[in-house]
Amino acid sequence: AQSVTQLGSHVSVSEGALVLLRCNYSSSVPPYLFWYVQYPNQGLQLLLKYTTGATLVKGINGFEAEFKKSETSFHLTKPSAHMSDAAEYFCAVSDPAWGKLQFGAGTQVVVTP
Amino acid sequence: EAGVTQSPTHLIKTRGQQATLRCSPISGHTSVYWYQQALGLGLQFLLWYDEGEERNRGNFPPRFSGRQFPNYSSELNVNALELEDSALYLCASSLEGRGGNQPQHFGDGTRLSIL
Repeated sequence: AQSVTQLGSHVSVSEGALVLLRCNYSSSVPPYLFWYVQYPNQGLQLLLKYTTGATLVKGINGFEAEFKKSETSFHLTKPSAHMSDAAEYFCAVSDPAWGKLQFGAGTQVVVTP
Repeated sequence: EAGVTQSPTHLIKTRGQQATLRCSPISGHTSVYWYQQALGLGLQFLLWYDEGEERNRGNFPPRFSGRQFPNYSSELNVNALELEDSALYLCASSLEGRGGNQPQHFGDGTRLSIL
């Protein structure tokens, strides 16, 4: 069975600083991995995905993530935080047999001026 | 391209009543998924429909049910509502879901409040 662990339920970053959100996964099959962002009172928006191919994946809004099989990690980064990045971020692994996404618990990002 | 649309935005019910939530997928998507996002419980998978068939359901009681229509829209029904059913219910759609490599695209959800 797939599972996802996100380290840190809350992260505070200064505007202009590096954003680093950690995600580790467990999967019995080659994983398909996703990062989503949720703004208040909204649904989830897809930031980026890893299915196959290049292990460094670029997404929207300047975010990128690197798939590291040896570390079973898929950490999300952004070089310079903006106030608009304040939101909750979810890492997810896809279960191809069951169709569902298995989500991590989420990381709330606060951006300070 | 229109995204996933859900209705209603908010729904207020009392214990024991029944609720119906609706979802229209992105055009061309055949798979529809339902998730529950309850305070403190995270995102929990409810149901997966593909080509009109229920393909999988999560660990929820049978009073949670749904269906997918020939136009691929879907509805989620919750019978005998309980206080703990209060949550944001998210619908997602994707291209054919088997294989797991198609990203799921989410609507803005229906906020269900049980009084």
